[in-house]
Amino acid sequence: AQSVTQLGSHVSVSEGALVLLRCNYSSSVPPYLFWYVQYPNQGLQLLLKYTSAATLVKGINGFEAEFKKSETSFHLTKPSAHMSDAAEYFCAVSDMRRDDKIIFGKGTRLHILP
Amino acid sequence: DTAVSQTPKYLVTQMGNDKSIKCEQNLGHDTMYWYKQDSKKFLKIMFSYNNKELIINETVPNRFSPKSPDKAHLNLHINSLELGDSAVYFCASSQGKTGGNNEQFFGPGTRLTVL
Repeated sequence: AQSVTQLGSHVSVSEGALVLLRCNYSSSVPPYLFWYVQYPNQGLQLLLKYTSAATLVKGINGFEAEFKKSETSFHLTKPSAHMSDAAEYFCAVSDMRRDDKIIFGKGTRLHILP
Repeated sequence: DTAVSQTPKYLVTQMGNDKSIKCEQNLGHDTMYWYKQDSKKFLKIMFSYNNKELIINETVPNRFSPKSPDKAHLNLHINSLELGDSAVYFCASSQGKTGGNNEQFFGPGTRLTVL
C-alpha cells in the first residue's frame, strides 16, 4: 500500500526566508508524487507533480520539489517566502502502474511571519 | 467561469435528516470525485466516477450514495445524517481515468454541519 508522511503539521517561516516542507513516501512501485495547496476556505490546487521525467520539478508560485528515490522523499521548497504563501500544503502519491486513487498526506499548515 | 462548482457552500442540518450536495464541472473531464475533509484537514477519497461509471467506492457507509446523471455532474446524497458526517466535502474532476498522473481540479467545498 502507498502512503505519504508529512513531517510537521505546522511550519512557521519569516517573510523572505526559505520554505521547506517535508514529505516522505512509501511505495512498492514507482510513484507519481504531487504537492497541492489549499488556501483558506478554498479547494485544493496543484502546485507541481513528479512523473519520472525529471527529479527536480518546478511548479507555480516559485515552488519546486526534488524527488530523491534513495531517501523516499519529495520535499517542497521555495527560496523566499511571501505572505501570500500562507496556506495548507498536501503531499500526495499515486501508483504509476495503475490508474488508481491519489493518497493524500495529512497536510502541513505554513505560517508566514512578518 | 467556475471550473468545478458545488452547491450549497454551507449546509446545516439536524441528525437523521437526508441531504444532497451537487457538483458540476465545465472542464470536459471524464472523471469526477468526492472527498471528505475532516476537522483535522485529513482528506480522504470517497467515490470516483469515470463517464458515469462508478470506479472507486471506498469504505463509506451505505447512507452515502453518489449519482452521476452525466459526466459533467456528480451529486452526493446522504441519508440519516449523523454527527460524524460533519466535515467539508470536496468535489473534484480530472481528465482521463482516476489517479495516475492526472491533475485533479477541486471545487470550493461544502461545509456540512450536523447538529
